[in-house]
Amino acid sequence: TQLLEQSPQFLSIQEGENLTVYCNSSSVFSSLQWYRQEPGEGPVLLVTVVTGGEVKKLKRLTFQFGDARKDSSLHITAAQPGDTGLYLCAGAAPGTYKYIFGTGTRLKVLA
Amino acid sequence: NAGVTQTPKFQVLKTGQSMTLQCAQDMNHEYMSWYRQDPGMGLRLIHYSVGAGITDQGEVPNGYNVSRSTTEDFPLRLLSAAPSQTSVYFCASSYSQPSGGVDEQFFGPGTRLTVL
Repeated sequence: TQLLEQSPQFLSIQEGENLTVYCNSSSVFSSLQWYRQEPGEGPVLLVTVVTGGEVKKLKRLTFQFGDARKDSSLHITAAQPGDTGLYLCAGAAPGTYKYIFGTGTRLKVLA
Repeated sequence: NAGVTQTPKFQVLKTGQSMTLQCAQDMNHEYMSWYRQDPGMGLRLIHYSVGAGITDQGEVPNGYNVSRSTTEDFPLRLLSAAPSQTSVYFCASSYSQPSGGVDEQFFGPGTRLTVL
């Protein structure tokens, strides 16, 4: 059974601090997606990483896919209150459409 | 474009009742899926479909049925509701890739279901 473990589960930081969220598995994924979800809404895609070792930047957010395509990280530089939300990683085994989601990291950025 | 729509937004059922959660998308996506989200457990895949007439089970399919008669609609049926099915249900749609995997999943606003 594939699992995606995210850490930390909760993170409360001050505005301007940096943070990293991890998404780990013992299984290989064809790609990993990162979503952010706000209360009362569905998740919204931030980025998809496809190639092992790939690094993608989205303004202050940097996403990395592990060389073996089993893990990924999300780094936020100079966090802002608008970054507050639940961050989820998701992926499917190669050749399948059966997506699993990580348990999520709940981030709160205090002004 | 309405995107992905779900009805109802809220529902309260008694144990043993049945009901259908509706999901529709207007983006001509082949792939549609249902997830449930419980506190501290992320999203878990219930059922998914890669096209009209094709459905498959996800991680937690027991107690739920689906059908896909059109590209646009993907209803989720609870056969006999149980308190363990109290959750928030999300429908999503996406373009699928021929060799597996999907593009960005677009999620609906969710249905909050309580089973007493």
